[in-house]
Amino acid sequence: AQTVTQSQPEMSVQEAETVTLSCTYDTSENNYYLFWYKQPPSRQMILVIRQEAYKQQNATENRFSVNFQKAAKSFSLKISDSQLGDTAMYFCAFFGNRDDKIIFGKGTRLHILP
Amino acid sequence: DSGVTQTPKHLITATGQRVTLRCSPRSGDLSVYWYQQSLDQGLQFLIQYYNGEERAKGNILERFSAQQFPDLHSELNLSSLELGDSALYFCASSAGPYSNQPQHFGDGTRLSIL
Repeated sequence: AQTVTQSQPEMSVQEAETVTLSCTYDTSENNYYLFWYKQPPSRQMILVIRQEAYKQQNATENRFSVNFQKAAKSFSLKISDSQLGDTAMYFCAFFGNRDDKIIFGKGTRLHILP
Repeated sequence: DSGVTQTPKHLITATGQRVTLRCSPRSGDLSVYWYQQSLDQGLQFLIQYYNGEERAKGNILERFSAQQFPDLHSELNLSSLELGDSALYFCASSAGPYSNQPQHFGDGTRLSIL
């Protein structure tokens, strides 16, 4: 079965620092999609970034970027110049064509400290 | 604002009861997804409908059922409720049938079973 693992249940960093959230996954598929979703205290789920496995270039969205290591099955999220509004739960998610459904990791709670 | 509307925001009921959660997708989106977020299980995919038809099924209990109506809104019915069904239930929508596309989440319905 395909799994997504986020090994950091909780993290805290100072405002303006850079932070990296880890995510690893297990799959035998070659083509798949990876996502990072953010859930702030308002609890709404917001898509942060999306990566297609067949693309070697790491996805970037403003201050958010990923380090996608396909061979290592690693998909970490880097947040640069962190802001107080980045405080949220971050979920890594995997979509593979075989199961045709998204699988979420258990999340990392990120606190940005003033 | 994601454009996805979920009602009610909060629901409190007792064991053994039945409830209906409602979701209106973002304008133009044909797919509706239902997720359950509980403290111990994280975010779990329940079921997907596309243009009125069930398209994918996840970890949905037999006591739960869903449907998507001709106007594309969806309802999730939960019956014979148990304490363990207390959770945040999210609806999400996307334009097409494939889960590899970005999903837009509603604010969720908080279900509390007493």
